Amino acid sequence: QKEVEQDPGPLSVPEGAIVSLNCTYSNSAFQYFMWYRQYSRKGPELLMYTYSSGNKEDGRFTAQVDKSSKYISLFIRDSQPSDSATYLCAMRENNAGNMLTFGGGTRLMVKP
Amino acid sequence: GAVVSQHPSWVICKSGTSVKIECRSLDFQATTMFWYRQFPKQSLMLMATSNEGSKATYEQGVEKDKFLINHASLTLSTLTVTSAHPEDSSFYICSATAPDTQYFGPGTRLTVL
Repeated sequence: QKEVEQDPGPLSVPEGAIVSLNCTYSNSAFQYFMWYRQYSRKGPELLMYTYSSGNKEDGRFTAQVDKSSKYISLFIRDSQPSDSATYLCAMRENNAGNMLTFGGGTRLMVKP
Repeated sequence: GAVVSQHPSWVICKSGTSVKIECRSLDFQATTMFWYRQFPKQSLMLMATSNEGSKATYEQGVEKDKFLINHASLTLSTLTVTSAHPEDSSFYICSATAPDTQYFGPGTRLTVL
């Protein structure tokens, strides 16, 4: 079993829909949680960064962390075709020297 | 802020030649940089951790003599693929650490003929 599990998709939604992307993990020592967006043939771009449990909102994006369930989510409101990309969750322990453990990525397609 | 560049963005080379890829943090200093490899429709595979002023740490299964890493300054790390072969064709991505997380470069597509 992988340390971080993420449904590979593809997830296809109509423009304007609310998108929910999720990751589960097994390592209870993870304290920092990130979401990256990767367009085809580009490097990952940091979208959201959270520490420990709770919610964080940035524009159309909301990140949630539930450490008790070892479950994190990224919500995208009013999804746009430009949101079509692969979304990677990543996480790390407190003293891991910025070494990240990644999920496999979920491919999202937002159709006009 | 936190911009990371890579050069070149795309390189084609003949089998047996060596290729150097540069990774630069443009607006911050990074004591640690990471090098990843990514195959189509797959996630990132960590190859090595590059620390400024010291030898790189390679992940299991990565040949250190084939993938030479040099972290000469707080803003520059280089990956040299030596004696490249077609199976080395891939997308190589670097990242640089800023407080608490990693910022990624745009990637370099290597095609070995």
